[in-house]
Amino acid sequence: EAQVTQNPRYLITVTGKKLTVTCSQNMNHEYMSWYRQDPGLGLRQIYYSMNVEVTDKGDVPEGYKVSRKEKRNFPLILESPSPNQTSLYFCASSLGQGYPDTQYFGPGTRLTVL
Amino acid sequence: AQKVTQAQTEISVVEKEDVTLDCVYETRDTTYYLFWYKQPPSGELVFLIRRNSFDEQNEISGRYSWNFQKSTSSFNFTITASQVVDSAVYFCALSEAMGGSGNTGKLIFGQGTTLQVKP
Repeated sequence: EAQVTQNPRYLITVTGKKLTVTCSQNMNHEYMSWYRQDPGLGLRQIYYSMNVEVTDKGDVPEGYKVSRKEKRNFPLILESPSPNQTSLYFCASSLGQGYPDTQYFGPGTRLTVL
Repeated sequence: AQKVTQAQTEISVVEKEDVTLDCVYETRDTTYYLFWYKQPPSGELVFLIRRNSFDEQNEISGRYSWNFQKSTSSFNFTITASQVVDSAVYFCALSEAMGGSGNTGKLIFGQGTTLQVKP
């Protein structure tokens, strides 16, 4: 089944404790992206990747890191989480290739930072 | 600047009623894509439809239909004979082109419309 998977789905952590949210897609997509969803602020892009080893900042990259060492994986790293990073996080992927294409989303990761 | 506006924050209907969700967008691009996504109470984002800027043909898929009008920059979504399972938050989104200077390929989402369908 073609899909985007994220792990963990739910996470409660404490301020400053490094964490990684994994994202994997099995559709051979070139483009991958991370969004966060917050009440009143909607969905905002954190980072994106056009292809392997190519990543760039989205609208709200502060406090996050990403890497794209393999085509299928695009982990989101929070080196020192803070309470303002409590949010619902979505990973998405699409074919890319220079044209807007449908982005398929993972199931979401609900993160709480205490 | 690119922007998507969903003026209806919440809509409540009774089952079997028809309901239209409005979406108005702003962009300077001549090539762009528009999308609708559904977010049910379980939280995931489910893709419903994609439309490119050169295709103004309306589309119908079962009880769902979409009306794209470039003249009014609108991409409205109608659910016919609504059902309780249609209860969700619906997002309209606009996609930037990829690869051009400053273009990130990101989706620009509206604020969403919460649809409640009562039995």
